[in-house]
Amino acid sequence: QKEVEQDPGPLSVPEGAIVSLNCTYSNSAFQYFMWYRQYSRKGPELLMYTYSSGNKEDGRFTAQVDKSSKYISLFIRDSQPSDSATYLCAIGLYGQNFVFGPGTRLSVLP
Amino acid sequence: EAQVTQNPRYLITVTGKKLTVTCSQNMNHEYMSWYRQDPGLGLRQIYYSMNVEVTDKGDVPEGYKVSRKEKRNFPLILESPSPNQTSLYFCASSLKAPVAGLGYSYEQYFGPGTRLTVT
Repeated sequence: QKEVEQDPGPLSVPEGAIVSLNCTYSNSAFQYFMWYRQYSRKGPELLMYTYSSGNKEDGRFTAQVDKSSKYISLFIRDSQPSDSATYLCAIGLYGQNFVFGPGTRLSVLP
Repeated sequence: EAQVTQNPRYLITVTGKKLTVTCSQNMNHEYMSWYRQDPGLGLRQIYYSMNVEVTDKGDVPEGYKVSRKEKRNFPLILESPSPNQTSLYFCASSLKAPVAGLGYSYEQYFGPGTRLTVT
């Protein structure tokens, strides 16, 4: 079983939809979670960082962690064509490097 | 403008022909690393450097070399490229090592990527 898994997509949604992007992980000890956004032909850029369980909101983006289910989510409200990108989750154990998921490709259609 | 630059952006080469991919950052970051990105496998770390003259292996170091003679530069060297090294390569830098739980920003700044094809 891979440490971090994501549905590769592509996920296509109409503009204005609420998008849910998910990531599952195998080790319940992971406590540190990040989401990166990667536009086509660009490097990833950090979108959000969360620690342990709960929600974190930043504008139209909400990161949610469910440690009991070993599942993290990124919600995008009022999605825009400019949100079309690949979204990578990254998870970390204390004292260790983060492990990246393979990414989910999102397409928001105007 | 704060940035990480990589060159070349695209490279097609043949098996066994030595090549170097350059990486440079202008943010005075201590930590730099190289990743490869393959479909379905995510970003995998090849090598990293904690500071000048300090380098170490990541998860997939076989077939690669690096050096860190200056703080801003971190070239990736493929002495004898093989087709299984065909991939998308990213250089990244951060102020400190992005290790979980150490109380500072884990944000890594990535370069634009180098698409390498080895035939």
